[in-house]
Amino acid sequence: EVQLLESGGGLVQPGGSLRLSCAASGFTFSTYAMSWVRQAPGKGLEWVSGISGSGSGTYYADSVKGRFTISRDNSKNTLYLQMNSLRDEDTAVYYCAKDGAVVRGVIPFDHWGQGTLVTVSS
Amino acid sequence: QTVVTQEPSFSVSPGGTVTLTCGLSSGSVSTSYYPSWYLQTPGQAPRTLIYSTNTRSSGVPDRISGSILGKKAALTITGAQADDESDYYCVLYMGSGISVFGGGTKLTVL
Repeated sequence: EVQLLESGGGLVQPGGSLRLSCAASGFTFSTYAMSWVRQAPGKGLEWVSGISGSGSGTYYADSVKGRFTISRDNSKNTLYLQMNSLRDEDTAVYYCAKDGAVVRGVIPFDHWGQGTLVTVSS
Repeated sequence: QTVVTQEPSFSVSPGGTVTLTCGLSSGSVSTSYYPSWYLQTPGQAPRTLIYSTNTRSSGVPDRISGSILGKKAALTITGAQADDESDYYCVLYMGSGISVFGGGTKLTVL
């Protein structure tokens, strides 16, 4: 059974940093692309960032480009999202999601974690 | 900047059929965008319904189907039930590793 468990969320001041983690199990982690998707309170889903199975390809939404960095450690079956220069509008539940292929995007988000809440506020 | 469009809300009678759509602010949706559909109930993580236009995710009943209708991707639900009342999101693949979600459709069954 595929399981995705996010951690690392919390309260951070504007301009601060936070690192999210997603521990994966139940599948061959390195074989699949992964993504982070967020949902601001009362709003819709927004794709934030993705990474290929090998980690050689990384992709970002314009709203986070230059501030967020996605990475993965295939030896630890873990996905990361380093978030810097955080803004109020980054407040959201952040979901870790598995793609259905090693290449990002063609079979997106076939499994989801339960999410971790990031609150950016002074 | 390309915007993915969905109806903000839709209603269907119990037992009825509803088709939700997913379009582009400029241009037509084709299978090359690998349209996918997700369902989300309040307080829960999203759940995958359809990927690659018309492939059902595991456990999704065949009364739920995906297609291309005209210039848009479409999600059709037949025999609507009370527990179909949820938020539905589509996502399109824009190439170069980029995905874009639509704004979501709130489906009411009444």
